[in-house]
Amino acid sequence: LAKTTQPISMDSYEGQEVNITCSHNNIATNDYITWYQQFPSQGPRFIIQGYKTKVTNEVASLFIPADRKSSTLSLPRVSLSDTAVYYCLVGDRTDDKIIFGKGTRLHILP
Amino acid sequence: EPEVTQTPSHQVTQMGQEVILRCVPISNHLYFYWYRQILGQKVEFLVSFYNNEISEKSEIFDDQFSVERPDGSNFTLKIRSTKLEDSAMYFCASSGPLAADSEQFFGPGTRLTVL
Repeated sequence: LAKTTQPISMDSYEGQEVNITCSHNNIATNDYITWYQQFPSQGPRFIIQGYKTKVTNEVASLFIPADRKSSTLSLPRVSLSDTAVYYCLVGDRTDDKIIFGKGTRLHILP
Repeated sequence: EPEVTQTPSHQVTQMGQEVILRCVPISNHLYFYWYRQILGQKVEFLVSFYNNEISEKSEIFDDQFSVERPDGSNFTLKIRSTKLEDSAMYFCASSGPLAADSEQFFGPGTRLTVL
């Protein structure tokens, strides 16, 4: 499993766009990049997954450069309820398990 | 929207007692998982289960732990003789029906407190 590095914490304000970058220099050809979100005292929740270029859904966008050694999760116009821990994960889609790191603790301020 | 459910939401037990944590995965999913999260720490993988057998387990999942799918809907985690350090949130997850359906759907968790 490729090692990932992401900021330990970030602060932002309501209404702002938040970008969380994750480094994964050793990403393998078969690996996908996946982001999960975890609110306090809840289970993690899948946000988005991509392989290359850009993926967008109703919650977020994921930008992946051509070399795939990093990725950026973009949350548009955040609200207080987006305060959570965000996990960047890299692995084969048939991996039998998720190995969570410490994630990025995002704190949205009013 | 289908969801994973877990019972109980909170379980308090005495050290040395057996506990069974229950999960109902999403109905058409075929891959099942247990994770735990000690307060303030990372989510840790315990075990994955497919086709009525364990497909992978972590070092944490020792002989004190077992999993079972007793019927077509439930997926259980048993801790045979609980220790203080087993106190944690335990999350069940499911995915599928295809192996490439990598999104795992997590339940709300069971908070286990061992006294």
